[in-house]
This record gives sequence, structure tokens and C-alpha cells, in this order.
Amino acid sequence: GENVEQHPSTLSVQEGDSAVIKCTYSDSASNYFPWYKQELGKGPQLIIDIRSNVGEKKDQRIAVTLNKTAKHFSLHITETQPEDSAVYFCAALTGTASKLTFGTGTRLQVTL
Amino acid sequence: EADIYQTPRYLVIGTGKKITLECSQTMGHDKMYWYQQDPGMELHLIHYSYGVNSTEKGDLSSESTVSRIRTEHFPLTLESARPSHTSQYLCATVSGGNTIYFGEGSWLTVV
Repeated sequence: GENVEQHPSTLSVQEGDSAVIKCTYSDSASNYFPWYKQELGKGPQLIIDIRSNVGEKKDQRIAVTLNKTAKHFSLHITETQPEDSAVYFCAALTGTASKLTFGTGTRLQVTL
Repeated sequence: EADIYQTPRYLVIGTGKKITLECSQTMGHDKMYWYQQDPGMELHLIHYSYGVNSTEKGDLSSESTVSRIRTEHFPLTLESARPSHTSQYLCATVSGGNTIYFGEGSWLTVV
């Protein structure tokens, strides 16, 4: 089955700096890679996603890049703000079952 | 975006009790999922459904059971709760283009 590795597990940045979270996946058949933000006591919220036919996608301060050859994808947050503090999960979707395999999460702390 | 509703949001129950966590969605999506997540940890798929009368076990073994009698509802049941079942349970549904959306979760504490 699919295996998704995510790092770092914790990340602390100063407000205004950029944050980068990286994930690798094992199944070359995976074709959809979403990123979720989870705040305390809430369910994961989809913030951006990318499909295997695209190399990069951007939405305001958030961008995701995908390298299919190397089987890794990354989340980039620019101009970080305190409200960006949360746990971020990457995931990979494989097969017709549409089953998501999640990374282990990155706790992002944006300090003033 | 999908509308997914989970109830109860928080539940504290005694060992041995039977509980059902409700999940409903209003978009008519066929695929639905249950994930289990300990605080701050990764999500593990425990059940999924392709549609009415379809249920499958996920990657993580769970003593819970699910049913899918109606498209809108995908309830999860624990016949006899134990402290080891204490966790957060997240329901999700798949919209067009295989985008997966989560509900707010049900926090279960078994004492």
C-alpha cells in the first residue's frame, strides 16, 4: 500500500518568514495530493491540493509543488501569520477506492 | 464544498456502553469514510463506503462497525466501549474530482 512520510514534525518560524513542509510517497499510482490544516479541536480543513498532471499550484500565500519523478511534494507558506499556526497534514490518494493515506503531520508555530 | 455533520461533537461514556456516532452529508456523495485520530497524531482509515449497502474495513483494525442504509448517513457504532476506544473520530466524504472533505469530528472519551 501507499506510504507517506512527512517532515519536519515541528516547525517554528517568525511572523513574516516562509515555511516549507515536505512529503514523500511510495506508490507511483498516486494521483492526487491534498494538504490539510487542522486547528485544535477541529476537523482537517483542505487548504490546497494538486493533481499528478500539474507541477505547481498557488493560492495567495500558499503554494504546493509536485515532483512525480522523485515522488515528493511540498507545501510553501509565505509571509506567515500567527493564524497559520496549526498542524498540517499531507496526503496521497491512490486507486479507484479514493483512499487517502496521510503523513504524520507537522506542527507549525508562527511566533511574533 | 461538502456539508458534513457529525454528532455528538463530544461524548464521555462509561465502559461497556454502546454508542453510535452519527455522520450525515447533504450533497448525495457516494463515497464516505471514517478516520480515527489520536490528539495531534496522524489519521488512520477505519471504515469506508462506496455507496448504499457498501461498507469496507480500512487500514487500521477497529472494533467499531458501520452501516450505509441511506446515502446521506454513515453511522459508526461501538457495541461495548472501552477506554482504548478513546479518540477522535472523523467522518469524510468525497466530492467531485475526488476532493475529500472532513466533518468537525467526534471526540469520544471512555471512562
